[in-house]
Amino acid sequence: DGGITQSPKYLFRKEGQNVTLSCEQNLNHDAMYWYRQDPGQGLRLIYYSQIVNDFQKGDIAEGYSVSREKKESFPLTVTSAQKNPTAFYLCASSMRAQNTGELFFGEGSRLTVL
Amino acid sequence: GEDVEQSLFLSVREGDSSVINCTYTDSSSTYLYWYKQEPGAGLQLLTYIFSNMDMKQDQRLTVLLNKKDKHLSLRIADTQTGDSAIYFCAEGLTGGGNKLTFGTGTQLKVEL
Repeated sequence: DGGITQSPKYLFRKEGQNVTLSCEQNLNHDAMYWYRQDPGQGLRLIYYSQIVNDFQKGDIAEGYSVSREKKESFPLTVTSAQKNPTAFYLCASSMRAQNTGELFFGEGSRLTVL
Repeated sequence: GEDVEQSLFLSVREGDSSVINCTYTDSSSTYLYWYKQEPGAGLQLLTYIFSNMDMKQDQRLTVLLNKKDKHLSLRIADTQTGDSAIYFCAEGLTGGGNKLTFGTGTQLKVEL
């Protein structure tokens, strides 16, 4: 079945460590996104990529980095520079040329900093 | 800038109708969306409406759009316990790279 797979589902990190969240899609979508979800704040865009080898900062990119070397993959690294990294992270993808703009989401990764 | 606002909580009895409201600020939005998030999971698209429409109905779901007031609502008829979830409205532009702006989410609790 086609879809978006995020891993790991749960992750614990000590302060000062970098951690990488995986996002893989087999929907043949051009665009991929990373959102962060905090209670009462909805979803905030971290980074997005419309095409391989290209990505743009979203609203809260500081302390995060991404790469887009393959169409199917868009990993997110949460660096030690991110001051408050504990959150639920959601990856999404979409067809770049789709008029309706529907996003397809993964099941999310919950990161807890100890 | 873009801003999408929703109330945080709504509680209804099973069988009643639920109405979830949303206000947005970007008058150039082309599409407006309602997504549903069940506990510990990602978001799924429920329905969307094009900005030149006033209403869209899809089975138990009715979307109303008041473009003048920048107000969007989602009505769920005959609400069931399985409808308990967080509902997000979102706005976006055609050709905007599908970069959607999401609201804060409304947690719907359905009581027996």
